[in-house]
Amino acid sequence: SAVISQKPSRDICQRGTSLTIQCQVDSQVTMMFWYRQQPGQSLTLIATANQGSEATYESGFVIDKFPISRPNLTFSTLTVSNMSPEDSSIYLCSVGGSSSYEQYFGPGTRLTVT
Amino acid sequence: GENVEQHPSTLSVQEGDSAVIKCTYSDSASNYFPWYKQELGKRPQLIIDIRSNVGEKKDQRIAVTLNKTAKHFSLHITETQPEDSAVYFCAASIWNTDKLIFGTGTRLQVFP
Repeated sequence: SAVISQKPSRDICQRGTSLTIQCQVDSQVTMMFWYRQQPGQSLTLIATANQGSEATYESGFVIDKFPISRPNLTFSTLTVSNMSPEDSSIYLCSVGGSSSYEQYFGPGTRLTVT
Repeated sequence: GENVEQHPSTLSVQEGDSAVIKCTYSDSASNYFPWYKQELGKRPQLIIDIRSNVGEKKDQRIAVTLNKTAKHFSLHITETQPEDSAVYFCAASIWNTDKLIFGTGTRLQVFP
C-alpha cells in the first residue's frame, strides 16, 4: 500500500486562528479523503478531495470552514478555519487503494484549540 | 444516507477465546465492508474486508461474514491474543462513491 504522511503531526492553536494540514502520498492516487475523529469517537468523513476541482463536502461540513486543495494526484491540504475548541480532534487523510475500494489512512494530525 | 450501527461498544475476553463484533447497515446499495483496527494513538489499519458478492472471507485468525438480506456483517477473531486489544471499526461503502461510513467502534480487551 501507499506510504502516506501528514504534517504537522500535532499542533496547539489559539481560538480564531487557522491551521493547514498537509497530506502527501508516495504514489499517484485517484481518491483522497479527509476525516475527523473527535476524542474517543468514530471517524466522520469531512470531504472527498477531487483533483483539479472543488472538494465534495459531507452534510454538516462547509467549504468556508474546511477549505481543501488537491493540486495533483499525490498531495492535498485541509485548512481548519476560524478555530474554536470544538474543532479539537484528530484529522486524518485517507487514500483509495489500487482496487479502488480499499482505503488507507495517514498517521493523523492531532489538533488542540485553546 | 447510509447509517452503520456497531455492537458491542466494549468487549472483554480471555486470551484464547473468540470475539465477535457485529454491524448492521441501512442502505442496500452498500457493497463494500471493511474492518479497521485502531491501537491507541495510531492510525486505523485495514485488517480485512468483504464485498457484497461474497458471503465469508477468512485471513488466519480473522474472518468476516456478510448477510446481505439482513444487512448484517460480523468480524470474528479466534484464539485471541493480548495484541488484539484495540478499537475495531466496521464501515460500509456505497458502490461508485468510495465514501466510507463508519460504525461507532468496539473496544476489545484481551486479558492474559
